[in-house]
Amino acid sequence: DAGITQSPRHKVTETGTPVTLRCHQTENHRYMYWYRQDPGHGLRLIHYSYGVKDTDKGEVSDGYSVSRSKTEDFLLTLESATSSQTSVYFCAITTDRVGIGYTFGSGTRLTVV
Amino acid sequence: QKEVEQDPGPLSVPEGAIVSLNCTYSNSAFQYFMWYRQYSRKGPELLMYTYSSGNKEDGRFTAQVDKSSKYISLFIRDSQPSDSATYLCAMTAQGAQKLVFGQGTRLTINP
Repeated sequence: DAGITQSPRHKVTETGTPVTLRCHQTENHRYMYWYRQDPGHGLRLIHYSYGVKDTDKGEVSDGYSVSRSKTEDFLLTLESATSSQTSVYFCAITTDRVGIGYTFGSGTRLTVV
Repeated sequence: QKEVEQDPGPLSVPEGAIVSLNCTYSNSAFQYFMWYRQYSRKGPELLMYTYSSGNKEDGRFTAQVDKSSKYISLFIRDSQPSDSATYLCAMTAQGAQKLVFGQGTRLTINP
């Protein structure tokens, strides 16, 4: 999607290993979000950021950490991957006007074996 | 109870039918309402955005908001197979930092 890229697009990792997913934006937007999407659960918020070094937890933050050292990059780390973290992960961005909606990335499909 | 409720479907209709997708919500502070469309293995894309109550039309798509009933709808006229996707509603309040999403409704338009 224009202005927002996620990497990697696909990843297979072993249980117990740390994994970092990257979200990069070129829009200079203030807000960045990490969601996971699973069948039967819809989109669930993991963490979000409202500025450089400013982050907050979402509804499913256990086992995840985030960092935002630059406006354009928001990193999601699975500290010790578990099979329950197998999912599709989406990054989203928006301006100060959250009410106008998000722009989503294309997603990262993560499989933990 | 979730703040936003959306029937996950699946919903299957013939080509050319009028489709109605709906969400209910419980937070009376919500003022901004959105519909996203998500194709298989893709990220959600913003389809319609509405502020407060009323209707908004964009081509074959109409979004309606009834704040008195805490109910929003998306209508698709002359539905096409290319409309087959998952549709998610989302909403937020003035000054909020994040959207609240419905679970999404999977829609299939049959040729």
